[in-house]
Amino acid sequence: QKEVEQNSGPLSVPEGAIASLNCTYSDRVSQSFFWYRQYSGKSPELIMSIYSNGDKEDGRFTAQLNKASQYVSLLIRDSQPSDSATYLCAVNGVSNFGNEKLTFGTGTRLTIIP
Amino acid sequence: DTGVSQDPRHKITKRGQNVTFRCDPISEHNRLYWYRQTLGQGPEFLTYFQNEAQLEKSRLLSDRFSAERPKGSFSTLEIQRTEQGDSAMYLCASSLGLAVLNTGELFFGEGSRLTVL
Repeated sequence: QKEVEQNSGPLSVPEGAIASLNCTYSDRVSQSFFWYRQYSGKSPELIMSIYSNGDKEDGRFTAQLNKASQYVSLLIRDSQPSDSATYLCAVNGVSNFGNEKLTFGTGTRLTIIP
Repeated sequence: DTGVSQDPRHKITKRGQNVTFRCDPISEHNRLYWYRQTLGQGPEFLTYFQNEAQLEKSRLLSDRFSAERPKGSFSTLEIQRTEQGDSAMYLCASSLGLAVLNTGELFFGEGSRLTVL
């Protein structure tokens, strides 16, 4: 089982609609969860972080966390063509050597259709 | 520019040659990470420094790979006797780590793309 799993997509969403991206993780002791956006040919950039169960909203973005189900999601409201990118779920945890480690999923490629 | 910088941005080499990548992190960041990313995959952790100490290496990192951060500032990643399977984007990231499970953001450089012919 992969540590962080995402549906690779592609996910196509009409402009103005809600895009829903999902992620599951395997390490129950993980405490910090992140969504990174990566445009084609560019490096990842952090767009959302969430640490406790429930919802966290930032502008058009809402991150949702359910630690019992080991599930993280990202909702993008009023999707814009500029939201077309790969969205990477990342989970913070502790490696076998006791070091903090950020593990990424494979990413979901999102396309917003004008 | 006060972001993470990587050099070179692109490197094409023949199989068997050695290559070295350099990363200059954000100046006040004490943590530096190297990740590798191939097409359609997320970044895979390679190694991690806190100041000048290399605290962890992934099992993905064969003996042909070596990384240093001699003065706790810039870092280099060297790949010896390159193979075609080494072709990837090598990403460097830095963060200001304060404690275990610190929630600091990773700031990524633009990456060094390696093509091994």
